Amino acid sequence: TQLLEQSPQFLSIQEGENLTVYCNSSSVFSSLQWYRQEPGEGPVLLVTVVTGGEVKKLKRLTFQFGDARKDSSLHITAAQTGDTGLYLCAGARVGSQGNLIFGKGTKLSVKP
Amino acid sequence: DADVTQTPRNRITKTGKRIMLECSQTKGHDRMYWYRQDPGLGLRLIYYSFDVKDINKGEISDGYSVSRQAQAKFSLSLESAIPNQTALYFCATSEAGPSGANVLTFGAGSRLTVL
Repeated sequence: TQLLEQSPQFLSIQEGENLTVYCNSSSVFSSLQWYRQEPGEGPVLLVTVVTGGEVKKLKRLTFQFGDARKDSSLHITAAQTGDTGLYLCAGARVGSQGNLIFGKGTKLSVKP
Repeated sequence: DADVTQTPRNRITKTGKRIMLECSQTKGHDRMYWYRQDPGLGLRLIYYSFDVKDINKGEISDGYSVSRQAQAKFSLSLESAIPNQTALYFCATSEAGPSGANVLTFGAGSRLTVL
């Protein structure tokens, strides 16, 4: 059973388009993180959200944590070719010593 | 130099061989982790260590063992490699982040192929 369902699995768009990636669960998380991974490299942290309903912005990226702390979304405005990569959500369940459960990832391709 | 260094970066071996993947870090973090990444399955935790004397099994520890030689060093061993252990392996370190979540710094990965 996948505790964190991430969708879509693949996304191919043109430069300048907007997109949203979703991360959903039936479990409550004390916090949720988003990572970005490029080929040949390890994932790199983009953001951590900890409060239900929290919204964080990182330039053209907007991250939201659901009110019930069971889901999150990543919205990219006016995507650029440099946004291409694998986006991973990861959640820390209450009582898990902070250990993260990862979604399967969304592979984003932004074409010029 | 990278904060988290993994060696080797690539390794091809045969079924039944013993393999060790090594990880060293300069972050000064107490917590270290080994994950494996498979296409379509995401990242899964193999083992983790919160300090030199602390070793814990993760989600998929069968067939693997670890050694925490020092605060900065954490190695992963496959005593007798099998083909379904072919994967990309990541070492990571962390300090506690907001709400106690571990904020991970990953190495660049070790690609292991078992024939």
